[in-house]
Amino acid sequence: DIQMTQSPSTLSASVGDRVTITCRASQSISSWLAWYQQKPGKAPKLLIYKASSLESGVPSRFSGSGSGTEFTLTISSLQPDDFATYYCQFGVTFGPGTKVDIK
Amino acid sequence: EVQLVESGGGLVQPGGSLRLSCAASGFTFSSYWMHWVRQAPGKGLVWVSRINSDGSSTSYADSVKGRFTISRDNAKNTLYLQMNSLRAEDTAVYYCARDQGISDAFDIWGQGTMVTVSS
Repeated sequence: DIQMTQSPSTLSASVGDRVTITCRASQSISSWLAWYQQKPGKAPKLLIYKASSLESGVPSRFSGSGSGTEFTLTISSLQPDDFATYYCQFGVTFGPGTKVDIK
Repeated sequence: EVQLVESGGGLVQPGGSLRLSCAASGFTFSSYWMHWVRQAPGKGLVWVSRINSDGSSTSYADSVKGRFTISRDNAKNTLYLQMNSLRAEDTAVYYCARDQGISDAFDIWGQGTMVTVSS
């Protein structure tokens, strides 16, 4: 089975910061990677699919890149609404999550 | 509005059973694969089960295989998860989610329903 890892597990940042989260797969998954945002008590929300395609309605400050085994989610300028936990996903496997909190 | 609404969660004793429902609206339910994903308190997302669009094919996580059954009624636009022989470790919020159909991403999620297994 393919394993997904994320780094860091927690990230402290300020409004306006550029934030990058990394997701790694234990073997090549081409570009079959999605990213989700989840806020406490809420369902996950799809942000990015196929590694770099922005889901409709998602702000353009979110972007995804990568292929093979290494992927990144970048928030170009962190906004107050962006403090949340972010998960990557391949197939039926989710990464462990990265919590973005306020510095 | 495209929407998924789960129901059926609650408190159940170990060894008991529960059936979750997920009512879909705002899209052609019968055209999409559907999934159940769970999240234990304070933990990450874990995929549980999936079903294809006509209900003829299903798959399960090893942790629930033989105990949980996913099904759907396309005439009623509803997805189900029958959970038997429940264990304490099944305690979680259960989400239904729509498979986008393009890239295995889950593009629509319900609000979740809490299942607590405890004596």
